Amino acid sequence: DIVMTQSPLSLPVTPGEPASISCRSSQSLLDSDDGNTYLHWYLQKSGQSPQLLIYLGSSRASGVPDRFSGSGSGTDFTLKVSSVEAEDVGVYFCMQALQTPFTFGQGTKLEIK
Amino acid sequence: QVQLVQSGTEVKKPGASVKVSCKASGYTFSEFYIHWVRQAPGQGLQWMGWINVNTGDTDYAQRFQGRVTMTRDTSISAAYMELSRLRSDDTAVYYCARGGIYDYWGQGTLVTVSS
Repeated sequence: DIVMTQSPLSLPVTPGEPASISCRSSQSLLDSDDGNTYLHWYLQKSGQSPQLLIYLGSSRASGVPDRFSGSGSGTDFTLKVSSVEAEDVGVYFCMQALQTPFTFGQGTKLEIK
Repeated sequence: QVQLVQSGTEVKKPGASVKVSCKASGYTFSEFYIHWVRQAPGQGLQWMGWINVNTGDTDYAQRFQGRVTMTRDTSISAAYMELSRLRSDDTAVYYCARGGIYDYWGQGTLVTVSS
C-alpha cells in the first residue's frame, strides 16, 4: 500500500497569515500512462463530511476560494492557504488515488491562534 | 444539484451485519463509481472499496475482503455497502463518495457496534 505522510499534524495560524501543509507519498503518484498525478486534498470541518479542495495535485475544485492552491509532483506535495480565514479551520487530508487501496494522510488540524 | 443521501444511524451487536444505503440524485448515476470510506471516532479516513455502478464490478480493500459487499440498484440510483461479522472496532461513520476524486460525499452514517 502507498503510505501518505502529512506534516505538521497541528497548525495554529493567525488570521490573514499564510499556511502550508506537506504531504509525502511512499511512491510516485504520477500515472505514466495518462500523465496525471493522483493526489487530492480535502478539508473536513467539525461535524461535516470531507469536502474536495484540490484534485490531481493542483486543480482547484468548483467553488473553492483561490486562496487555496496545490503544488508538487512525484512524491512531495504542498497545500497552501495564502491568507487564512476563520472559516478555514478543520482537518486537512491528502489522499492518493493512483492505486487501490486509496490511502489518506493522517490529517492536519488547522486552528486559529 | 448533486446529492448523495445516506441511510440513518445504526446500532448493531457484535457478529451482526449492517447495510448502509447511498441514494444519488442530480446527475447520471451510471457515469460515476461510488466509493465507500469510513472514519472511526476521532480517527482518520479509511478506504473500503468501490463499485462500478454501471457494471456492478467491485474492488475491496484487503482488510475487508470476505466481510464487505457493495451493490447497487440502478433503477433507483442507489448504492449499498453491507458489512458482516461486525466487531466493536467497526464502530465508525461510513461515507459514500462519488467517482475517483470524491467531489461529492454523503452526509455519513454512524454505525455503532456494541453488546
